Amino acid sequence: AQSVTQLDSQVPVFEEAPVELRCNYSSSVSVYLFWYVQYPNQGLQLLLKYLSGSTLVKGINGFEAEFNKSQTSFHLRKPSVHISDTAEYFCAVTRRVGNTGNQFYFGTGTSLTVIP
Amino acid sequence: KAGVTQTPRYLIKTRGQQVTLSCSPISGHRSVSWYQQTPGQGLQFLFEYFSETQRNKGNFPGRFSGRQFSNSRSEMNVSTLELGDSALYLCASSLYLGTSTEAFFGQGTRLTVV
Repeated sequence: AQSVTQLDSQVPVFEEAPVELRCNYSSSVSVYLFWYVQYPNQGLQLLLKYLSGSTLVKGINGFEAEFNKSQTSFHLRKPSVHISDTAEYFCAVTRRVGNTGNQFYFGTGTSLTVIP
Repeated sequence: KAGVTQTPRYLIKTRGQQVTLSCSPISGHRSVSWYQQTPGQGLQFLFEYFSETQRNKGNFPGRFSGRQFSNSRSEMNVSTLELGDSALYLCASSLYLGTSTEAFFGQGTRLTVV
């Protein structure tokens, strides 16, 4: 079975400071990895995804993430945050093998608050 | 291109009633998944439909059911509502079946059971 752990439930950070949101996963098979963002009263929007290839993935809004297979991590980073980045962030995985569907396993989310 | 449309956006129901939620995927997308989001349990997978067939199912009781129509629109139904069914229900559509495809989420239906 797959599980996703987001190590920080809440992350406050000052505007223009860097931020890292941590995500670790466990799986007995290879996985695809995703980060989604959710603004208040909205659905989920894809920030970035890792399928294969380069372990450094760049996404929208200046976010990037690095896949580390040995540490089973997929941490999300942004060098300089903006007030508009205040939102809930979800890390998710799907299996690469043996799954014919699109079932996502989500972490519990990290609430990022950008302080002016 | 229109996104994923979920209706209604908000719903208030009484315990014991049943409810039907609707999801219209992005045009051309054939896979529709449903998720329940609650503060305590987070995002949990309900089921996925592709070409009118349920392909995957999460760990929810039989009170939760769904279907998909030939135009890929999907509905989910919850019977005999319980207070614990209060949640944001999210629908996601994907182009086809396969774990590398991006899932596009709707804004959700906020169900409150009183």
